[in-house]
Amino acid sequence: AQKVTQAQTEISVVEKEDVTLDCVYETRDTTYYLFWYKQPPSGELVFLIRRNSFDEQNEISGRYSWNFQKSTSSFNFTITASQVVDSAVYFCALSEASGSNYQLIWGAGTKLIIKP
Amino acid sequence: DSGVTQTPKHLITATGQRVTLRCSPRSGDLSVYWYQQSLDQGLQFLIQYYNGEERAKGNILERFSAQQFPDLHSELNLSSLELGDSALYFCASSSTGTLKETQYFGPGTRLLVL
Repeated sequence: AQKVTQAQTEISVVEKEDVTLDCVYETRDTTYYLFWYKQPPSGELVFLIRRNSFDEQNEISGRYSWNFQKSTSSFNFTITASQVVDSAVYFCALSEASGSNYQLIWGAGTKLIIKP
Repeated sequence: DSGVTQTPKHLITATGQRVTLRCSPRSGDLSVYWYQQSLDQGLQFLIQYYNGEERAKGNILERFSAQQFPDLHSELNLSSLELGDSALYFCASSSTGTLKETQYFGPGTRLLVL
């Protein structure tokens, strides 16, 4: 069965610290897609990244980086030099290319609090 | 700005009432998804439409219904409202509705049932 686990319910750090949000997934498919979304206090869901299962290269976008490891079924997200504006709930999600389940499988989210 | 629009932003109504939430997808997107986000249940997929046809159904109650119109906008109708229906309702859109695509979300409609 497909599953996404974000074990960290809440993380609180001081501004400028680096922080890593964990995402572990379960799937039987060999082709699948992983996503990260951000939900700031204002409520909207903002797409951050999409990664397919064949591309294990790490991705860096400014202060954001993603570490995809198929061996551990993880797709972790790191914010370097965190800022107060990074405070949000972050969701990891999984979709399978061949499954009959048409839904995105969502993690429960990690609430990130960046203190000034 | 994702390009997905939702109206209204906020809605306050009473139990037993009926409301309609509206969504316009990104230009060129044919597929629309509806989600409910409540505090105790997280993000729940409700239903998906592709080019006017229902494609997938999730945890949508019988009191809820949706449709996608020829101009591709979609409406989610919630009837016989209960206190527990208070939630943030999101619409998302994608190009052709396959799960390898990114879903882009609208700003949401915050529904409060009193």
